[in-house]
Amino acid sequence: KAGVTQTPRYLIKTRGQQVTLSCSPISGHRSVSWYQQTPGQGLQFLFEYFSETQRNKGNFPGRFSGRQFSNSRSEMNVSTLELGDSALYLCASSLVSSPNEQFFGPGTRLTVL
Amino acid sequence: KQEVTQIPAALSVPEGENLVLNCSFTDSAIYNLQWFRQDPGKGLTSLLLIQSSQREQTSGRLNASLDKSSGRSTLYIAASQPGDSATYLCAVQLNTNAGKSTFGDGTTLTVKP
Repeated sequence: KAGVTQTPRYLIKTRGQQVTLSCSPISGHRSVSWYQQTPGQGLQFLFEYFSETQRNKGNFPGRFSGRQFSNSRSEMNVSTLELGDSALYLCASSLVSSPNEQFFGPGTRLTVL
Repeated sequence: KQEVTQIPAALSVPEGENLVLNCSFTDSAIYNLQWFRQDPGKGLTSLLLIQSSQREQTSGRLNASLDKSSGRSTLYIAASQPGDSATYLCAVQLNTNAGKSTFGDGTTLTVKP
């Protein structure tokens, strides 16, 4: 069974631009969660989607948004990029939305110049 | 607010040694606790998941224990090998927080040949 895939793996953007990251969960998994990992803040929860609905949200500004499609694939969008958005963005998939084992993808490394 | 702490932040041991990594959490109303491994610049690999009703889980040379009442978990690694060198993260999920794991900052383990 294929694992969680994330595309692209690396991105370089400049301040003010916007970016879209993609995550495909493990087949059969319907919950996708997004996390931001930085050296200073560690791993922080962004949001979780289940059945195309956002079920949970972390403390991030509205510039961070996401969506989920009917096939459970999810996208995350960051608008008006700032230098501080440089991070490793990880997505995790679970079978269901209730607390459950999470399986992580390889991440997307975003660098904002 | 759930806080997760991991001690020590870094650990260096000679090959063959047994070692223990520690994780503590402030809110004992957890649903589960998961231990992960992260290699530099990579995603997270799930090692062990302990449900709140369990006391321990074992996989190969790894054994994780959970004491909910004291808010602690330990990851025991037997007969360490250089390939075990990585950052180890623990994460907890609460009953009420769908899809969200709260992570510690990790323990970076170096096993010297």
